[in-house]
Amino acid sequence: KAGVTQTPRYLIKTRGQQVTLSCSPISGHRSVSWYQQTPGQGLQFLFEYFSETQRNKGNFPGRFSGRQFSNSRSEMNVSTLELGDSALYLCASSLGGRDTDTQYFGPGTRLTVL
Amino acid sequence: LAKTTQPISMDSYEGQEVNITCSHNNIATNDYITWYQQFPSQGPRFIIQGYKTKVTNEVASLFIPADRKSSTLSLPRVSLSDTAVYYCLVGGNDMRFGAGTRLTVKP
Repeated sequence: KAGVTQTPRYLIKTRGQQVTLSCSPISGHRSVSWYQQTPGQGLQFLFEYFSETQRNKGNFPGRFSGRQFSNSRSEMNVSTLELGDSALYLCASSLGGRDTDTQYFGPGTRLTVL
Repeated sequence: LAKTTQPISMDSYEGQEVNITCSHNNIATNDYITWYQQFPSQGPRFIIQGYKTKVTNEVASLFIPADRKSSTLSLPRVSLSDTAVYYCLVGGNDMRFGAGTRLTVKP
């Protein structure tokens, strides 16, 4: 069974631009969660989508948004990029939800904002 | 308020058994305890999950006392490739990753 895939793996943007990251969950998994990881803040939860609906949201500004499609694939968008948005963005999928089922993580997308 | 507390770092030598303890005093009745391993620039990898007593799989064991306020991940006979950050998570909607434990295995 294929694991969680994320595209692109690496991305370089400049301040003020916007970016869209993509995540394909494990087949059959309906929940996709997004995390931001930085050396200073560690792994921080962004949001979770389940059956195309946002179920939970972390403490991030509205510049961070996401969506989930009917095939469970998910995208995350960051608008008006800031230097501090440079991070490893991870998505994780689970069968039910992140609060009940084991999460399986993708390799991440390394975003660098210049 | 952090939901879990782990040591920041640990050192070990190849071939030794390593035990990493996580405190989770506010664990809820329905919460499971899950451990992940993460290498630099990679996503966390699921290691083991348990609810009570002891769980063992091909890579690790998880010991959970009766009060469930802590858990211990046991890695038998570690190798250099086990050098990584290990995270303990407790389930629930407010589940969050802590700082993790950076394990360094030396030759």
